[in-house]
Amino acid sequence: AQKITQTQPGMFVQEKEAVTLDCTYDTSDPSYGLFWYKQPSSGEMIFLIYQGSYDQQNATEGRYSLNFQKARKSANLVISASQLGDSAMYFCAMREVNYGGSQGNLIFGKGTKLSVKP
Amino acid sequence: DARVTQTPRHKVTEMGQEVTMRCQPILGHNTVFWYRQTMMQGLELLAYFRNRAPLDDSGMPKDRFSAEMPDATLATLKIQPSEPRDSAVYFCASGDGDSSYEQYFGPGTRLTVT
Repeated sequence: AQKITQTQPGMFVQEKEAVTLDCTYDTSDPSYGLFWYKQPSSGEMIFLIYQGSYDQQNATEGRYSLNFQKARKSANLVISASQLGDSAMYFCAMREVNYGGSQGNLIFGKGTKLSVKP
Repeated sequence: DARVTQTPRHKVTEMGQEVTMRCQPILGHNTVFWYRQTMMQGLELLAYFRNRAPLDDSGMPKDRFSAEMPDATLATLKIQPSEPRDSAVYFCASGDGDSSYEQYFGPGTRLTVT
């Protein structure tokens, strides 16, 4: 079963507008972490934001915020005031705590390609 | 500015040849991951090391792939013999498993097997 689902293969947004990228996840582990990465056309993977399963508040990092709805198992990324440089692939990922609590590997979704229009 | 480095950045080889990819994790990081990215499969884990010991290599085809950490500053991923279906971008990532959630990715090695 797919553990991370990103239902939007591609999205368009007008420059300066906000955009929400969807992500749902599936896990039976009570302790997990949720991540968003950005991959521009250059290919590198850039960490954007992290949300722990026990965090009470939604994570924010500059123009990025994570809308964490634990009961619905969703972790949507919100980008405010979109910029042309935000055009990229965006990946949602989950880390299940295993191996006695040590950092485990990331499980990635298929990604959403965001295009920002001038 | 500490970064994960990977060499080579690009590799083109013929089917049947051996390919070795190298990764230098960030100094002090004790977890190292190898991921493969393809259009069809997306990003998937190949192998995972903690304190140089392999913890999970279930995502790796055992007959042709091998991953090692000869020391704390070097991780290698070897394919022998290579096949066209191995064409992909191979990412190395490192993290401090004891104190941080973040994984830092290297720039990747783009492998093309003809």
